[in-house]
Amino acid sequence: DTAVSQTPKYLVTQMGNDKSIKCEQNLGHDTMYWYKQDSKKFLKIMFSYNNKELIINETVPNRFSPKSPDKAHLNLHINSLELGDSAVYFCASSRWDRDNEQFFGPGTRLTVL
Amino acid sequence: AQSVTQLGSHVSVSEGALVLLRCNYSSSVPPYLFWYVQYPNQGLQLLLKYTSAATLVKGINGFEAEFKKSETSFHLTKPSAHMSDAAEYFCAVVSGGYNKLIFGAGTRLAVHP
Repeated sequence: DTAVSQTPKYLVTQMGNDKSIKCEQNLGHDTMYWYKQDSKKFLKIMFSYNNKELIINETVPNRFSPKSPDKAHLNLHINSLELGDSAVYFCASSRWDRDNEQFFGPGTRLTVL
Repeated sequence: AQSVTQLGSHVSVSEGALVLLRCNYSSSVPPYLFWYVQYPNQGLQLLLKYTSAATLVKGINGFEAEFKKSETSFHLTKPSAHMSDAAEYFCAVVSGGYNKLIFGAGTRLAVHP
């Protein structure tokens, strides 16, 4: 059983297009996250939702819009894709407590041409 | 704000040798610290975490880390490296009240025969 799953695993698209990445977790967690990993492997948090409420919104272009339809799902929609958006995007989930580990999905490799 | 610094972007060891990956943290409050491992083309997996209990923390795959407040360090060690340990290792600290993980830049561990 996959704990945190993401679709698609690979996404290749042209500049200017709009695309979405989906994330689902079956761990019963109440908090979900989106991270971006750049070409140098640097990981940075983008957004976090707790019980479907946005609680972390880092300095991310407003072309990126997360949506959480329920506690088990967190999607990421990206408008007007740019070359610099090429990266691996990871979804993660955890319980709310600060000492709880975050479980990561397998990642979505986005390539913008 | 909390942060972590990983010394050494690349570490190379022989199979059977000691593994030492360095992480120093900066935190104005008692930190929650984590080590994650990322195998090629995969998501992150938790190795171990420090949450203010025992200062010597044992994790999976024979790894352990020692929290040293006086040195603001949380170095990761393994007595004997295995070829399967080759991966990217990330140290992370929880920042703020929303379980936001701040990652170090990562250390790529290579293990050669």
